[in-house]
Amino acid sequence: NAGVMQNPRHLVRRRGQEARLRCSPMKGHSHVYWYRQLPEEGLKFMVYLQKENIIDESGMPKERFSAEFPKEGPSILRIQQVVRGDSAAYFCASSLNRDNHEQYFGPGTRLTVT
Amino acid sequence: DAKTTQPNSMESNEEEPVHLPCNHSTISGTDYIHWYRQLPSQGPEYVIHGLTSNVNNRMASLAIAEDRKSSTLILHRATLRDAAVYYCILSPYYYTDKLIFGTGTRLQVFP
Repeated sequence: NAGVMQNPRHLVRRRGQEARLRCSPMKGHSHVYWYRQLPEEGLKFMVYLQKENIIDESGMPKERFSAEFPKEGPSILRIQQVVRGDSAAYFCASSLNRDNHEQYFGPGTRLTVT
Repeated sequence: DAKTTQPNSMESNEEEPVHLPCNHSTISGTDYIHWYRQLPSQGPEYVIHGLTSNVNNRMASLAIAEDRKSSTLILHRATLRDAAVYYCILSPYYYTDKLIFGTGTRLQVFP
């Protein structure tokens, strides 16, 4: 059973470009969480999605960031007009359902904005 | 959100037991205690969780104080691969929720 997959593993963008980060949850998992880890800082929750629904986006920056988890396909975290401060590791986690307390994390996407 | 307090760092020798403490004096009756760890350059990894009773799995044991205001993650025989940052996190028991990571405890394991 494959774990959580994220791609790309490394992404370099110039200021002002768009970044798209993809997350494929574990098979059968319908809940996805995105977290961000800035350099030398802790992990911060961004958004929690279920298929086609955003459950909690309290950690998402108000502008330029959006997330989706369509009925088919991976979850996408989209960052428009990236700035240097967006450089970070972005981790996706999935869980089976809302009653299951274990979250399984992917290897992360390391975004570098030049 | 209920807060947890952990030592910044701990050290251990290989093959020795490690006891990682966590204080959560403001825990509510409906909070689970979770432990995750993050190895260098990797995503966090679930370790164990519990509510009131002590818990064991293949990775570790979780000892929960009777008043639930503290808990201890026990690695029975540390290996070099256990060197990581360990996070103690509280989360509502009635549903899976976002994880609020603190600064954790950085565990160093020496050969």
